[in-house]
Amino acid sequence: LAKTTQPISMDSYEGQEVNITCSHNNIATNDYITWYQQFPSQGPRFIIQGYKTKVTNEVASLFIPADRKSSTLSLPRVSLSDTAVYYCLVGYTGTDKLIFGTGTRLQVFP
Amino acid sequence: EAEVAQSPRYKITEKSQAVAFWCDPISGHATLYWYRQILGQGPELLVQFQDESVVDDSQLPKDRFSAERLKGVDSTLKIQPAELGDSAMYLCASSAGTGKGQPQHFGDGTRLSIL
Repeated sequence: LAKTTQPISMDSYEGQEVNITCSHNNIATNDYITWYQQFPSQGPRFIIQGYKTKVTNEVASLFIPADRKSSTLSLPRVSLSDTAVYYCLVGYTGTDKLIFGTGTRLQVFP
Repeated sequence: EAEVAQSPRYKITEKSQAVAFWCDPISGHATLYWYRQILGQGPELLVQFQDESVVDDSQLPKDRFSAERLKGVDSTLKIQPAELGDSAMYLCASSAGTGKGQPQHFGDGTRLSIL
């Protein structure tokens, strides 16, 4: 059974770079990793998605190492409004399953 | 505000009662998902539709849960009878295609409380 785990919580200060990891079983070279942000009483909001080694958009970067046993969401300069829970979502093509990670609660301090 | 519409936002009911949730996906999105999110956990997929057809309902407790998307647009998720353990957030999401590379867009969910 595919398992996707994340650190329970992380603390940071405004302006710092934050890296959140997602550990997963062996994923195929074309398996996608997607990251979402979730505030209380709201649905998850899309941040970034990719399957290659590095993907970057205007708000974040996604890194997947060669062994593909983990992935990292990088938020370059966090602000107080980035305080939220962050989830990775793995799309396993082998089993055709979508598995969310356990979630990481990020607290940003001034 | 989420582009995927869900109603009601909150539902309180007693165990053994029937409850239904409604979802209207983003216009043109062929794929629709229902998730259950227990407080403090990640969402768990219950059922996935491609147009009006069920693609995956392996995690749907079929003895009490049912889902339909009759015209391939909006969808309804029903629980009958509700149990105490069903208290959770029920999220609907949609995507433009079936490939795993299509980002899902979520509604703000229905918070269900069973008394």
